[in-house]
Amino acid sequence: KAGVTQTPRYLIKTRGQQVTLSCSPISGHRSVSWYQQTPGQGLQFLFEYFSETQRNKGNFPGRFSGRQFSNSRSEMNVSTLELGDSALYLCASRGSLAGLETQYFGPGTRLLVL
Amino acid sequence: AQSVTQPDIHITVSEGASLELRCNYSYGATPYLFWYVQSPGQGLQLLLKYFSGDTLVQGIKGFEAEFKRSQSSFNLRKPSVHWSDAAEYFCAVVNMEYGNKLVFGAGTILRVKS
Repeated sequence: KAGVTQTPRYLIKTRGQQVTLSCSPISGHRSVSWYQQTPGQGLQFLFEYFSETQRNKGNFPGRFSGRQFSNSRSEMNVSTLELGDSALYLCASRGSLAGLETQYFGPGTRLLVL
Repeated sequence: AQSVTQPDIHITVSEGASLELRCNYSYGATPYLFWYVQSPGQGLQLLLKYFSGDTLVQGIKGFEAEFKRSQSSFNLRKPSVHWSDAAEYFCAVVNMEYGNKLVFGAGTILRVKS
């Protein structure tokens, strides 16, 4: 089975712009979660989608949003970019929302905001 | 709230030496625990997980971890470290009070000296 894929792998944007990141989960997985990783804050949960519905949301401003399509692919959007949004954005998929269901991570999208 | 503590930010070991990475969690009931590894510029790879049963769990790449309820710990071990094990290691617990999302520790960077 192919793993979780994320596109693009690298992005450079300037402050005030917006960006959209894409994640394709493992085939058959209906849950997609997004995490932000920075040296200062570590790995922080952004949100999770399951069957096109947002199920959980982390403590991030409304500039961060996402959606999930009927094929389980997910996109994450960040509007009005700030320097502090520079980070590695990781996507993870799992088959269900059960606690013991393993999350499998993609390689990440590295976003640099100038 | 559930939390994970990895007390060691950096650890350096010689190639061939044994390794133990510490992880302490805060959770009242039996937790679901994971260890992930991240190589530079990459996503997270699952090493092993604990849900219940045998408190010593085996993972990939020769890693094992032991769950100790009395110490609220889930330490990762490897008897003989290889240079390719140099990476960052994350312990995580499932937050069952909040949609079964993963809560990560701050990570431990492992350096291997030859």
